[in-house]
Amino acid sequence: KQEVTQIPAALSVPEGENLVLNCSFTDSAIYNLQWFRQDPGKGLTSLLLIQSSQREQTSGRLNASLDKSSGRSTLYIAASQPGDSATYLCAVGPLDSSYKLIFGSGTRLLVRP
Amino acid sequence: EPEVTQTPSHQVTQMGQEVILRCVPISNHLYFYWYRQILGQKVEFLVSFYNNEISEKSEIFDDQFSVERPDGSNFTLKIRSTKLEDSAMYFCASTPTARPQNNQPQHFGDGTRLSIL
Repeated sequence: KQEVTQIPAALSVPEGENLVLNCSFTDSAIYNLQWFRQDPGKGLTSLLLIQSSQREQTSGRLNASLDKSSGRSTLYIAASQPGDSATYLCAVGPLDSSYKLIFGSGTRLLVRP
Repeated sequence: EPEVTQTPSHQVTQMGQEVILRCVPISNHLYFYWYRQILGQKVEFLVSFYNNEISEKSEIFDDQFSVERPDGSNFTLKIRSTKLEDSAMYFCASTPTARPQNNQPQHFGDGTRLSIL
């Protein structure tokens, strides 16, 4: 059964710092991996989607990498800003399903001014 | 940018009552999903829906739950007889096509917070 784990559970950094959020999954049989942002009381905003054949995706200050064989993904945030404060979730699309995403429990990020 | 919209944002219901949560997916999307997030826990898949049929459902999605696309725009989740443990945030999502065909990200709404008293 696929399990998705995110470390750390919470992170507090000063503004301007570069940071890395980690996601690991137990079964490498995935179609893709998606990173989301969740603000308190709000929905999930899709940040990046990496297909299983890709190694990384970039959007602005965000870069996500995928090492499928080792079951790991990282989300790199450059030059962090207070507006980046949110919970970041990763989710994998398993090969045995065309539809569902399996989520990690998230990393709660606080960027201090 | 097109959005998935959900109503109401917060629903308070007595235990045992029926509740219907409503979603308007992005207009050209064909696949629809419901997820839930119990407070402090992971987001969990409930069901996916395509062409007026359930495509896949999880163990959580038992006989108390049903989904429907009553018209060309709305997608609903009904819980027939609510229990205390149904209290959660319920998210609707949609994609243009199913993932294997076109690796599209799922787009989520802001959710409905369901509180069962």
